Amino acid sequence: AIQLTQSPSSLSASVGDRVTITCRASQGISSTLAWYQQKPGKAPKLLISDASSLESGVPSRFSGSGSGTDFTLTISSLQPEDFATYYCQQFNNYPITFGQGTRLEIK
Amino acid sequence: EVQLVESGGGLVQPGRSLRLSCAASGFTFDDYAMHWVRQAPGKGLEWVSGISWNSGSIGYADSVKGRFTISRDNAKNSLYLQMNSLRTEDTALYYCAKDRWVQLWSYQFDCWGQGTLVTVSS
Repeated sequence: AIQLTQSPSSLSASVGDRVTITCRASQGISSTLAWYQQKPGKAPKLLISDASSLESGVPSRFSGSGSGTDFTLTISSLQPEDFATYYCQQFNNYPITFGQGTRLEIK
Repeated sequence: EVQLVESGGGLVQPGRSLRLSCAASGFTFDDYAMHWVRQAPGKGLEWVSGISWNSGSIGYADSVKGRFTISRDNAKNSLYLQMNSLRTEDTALYYCAKDRWVQLWSYQFDCWGQGTLVTVSS
């Protein structure tokens, strides 16, 4: 199975900060990667599809990049509602796998 | 508005069975693949199973293969997960999720329900 390793596992940041979360795949997966945001007690929300396509309704401060084994999710200017846990997910091979998550907390 | 509502969770003993349901509304259900994704308490996300729009293609995670069966009834706009031989490690919140693409598998989940909790314990 393809393993996805997110870094950091947790992160403290302030409103207005630029934040980057990294997802590394154990083997090349082209651009078959998605990013989700999950707030406590809520279902995940799809933010980025196909590594870099912003989903409809998602603020433009979110962006995704990368291909092959290394991917990033960037939030250009953190807003209070962005504090959540973020997951990457690969869909290149069975089994579909998720990263372990990155918890973004308020500093 | 797209809506997915799961039901059927509860407390069950190891080795027993449970059937989850997901009622869909707000979109053309029979145009989309559907999936089950679970999340153990305090843990990350795990894809469990998916089914194509016409039930012609089905996939399972290795952890549930041979024990769980996914199905759908397009006439009822409903998705199901029959879970047999349940284990303590199956304890999780089970989400129903809609695939992103029409009549294709994208394995990207653009709409999720709120989940139904399954607890496997003696």
